[in-house]
Amino acid sequence: SQQGEEDPQALSIQEGENATMNCSYKTSINNLQWYRQNSGRGLVHLILIRSNEREKHSGRLRVTLDTSKKSSSLLITASRAADTASYFCATVPTDSWGKFQFGAGTQVVVTP
Amino acid sequence: ETGVTQTPRHLVMGMTNKKSLKCEQHLGHNAMYWYKQSAKKPLELMFVYNFKEQTENNSVPSRFSPECPNSSHLFLHLHTLQPEDSALYLCASSPGTVEAFFGQGTRLTVV
Repeated sequence: SQQGEEDPQALSIQEGENATMNCSYKTSINNLQWYRQNSGRGLVHLILIRSNEREKHSGRLRVTLDTSKKSSSLLITASRAADTASYFCATVPTDSWGKFQFGAGTQVVVTP
Repeated sequence: ETGVTQTPRHLVMGMTNKKSLKCEQHLGHNAMYWYKQSAKKPLELMFVYNFKEQTENNSVPSRFSPECPNSSHLFLHLHTLQPEDSALYLCASSPGTVEAFFGQGTRLTVV
């Protein structure tokens, strides 16, 4: 069953702007991860945040996690045309070892 | 390049055909997965194998039959599919719960 749900479904911004997308989930988790997918290709892992962490940074990426609200956000700062892709959150529920559950993704288009 | 290789990249098959998708990883991961990705829908987890044993079958129709002969290879055997089975089929492997490594996918079209 679907665990993560991303919002918005689509986002269109200009280069240099920030892109923010959100993820909500339903059950207790070990960690939450964000992935990126270029059109028609496989997903690539971007960043992981553990259930006892509230914020994490990696380059131009910033992830937050609020376990009380069962939500996470991904911020991409100073976006580039190369950031155009779909972004997915994935959760691993505490009662399901290795069972990565994904949402439908946020499609981000960055125009020069 | 993630280290997970899927073949073929594209496949067109008729509803009466039998075909197989192949996935290979030499990352030393114990877990392997098949996901189905249809347009505008969440990725659907189909099967999970852990140490070659199937640990998850997410109510997948029997026309999809997985096989995991060893921890490096995973197959998805396809038989009498329907047009609605057309999708991107993604294989992934993982050492645990911290990251899934995906292949490039097989774009399947059922005609």
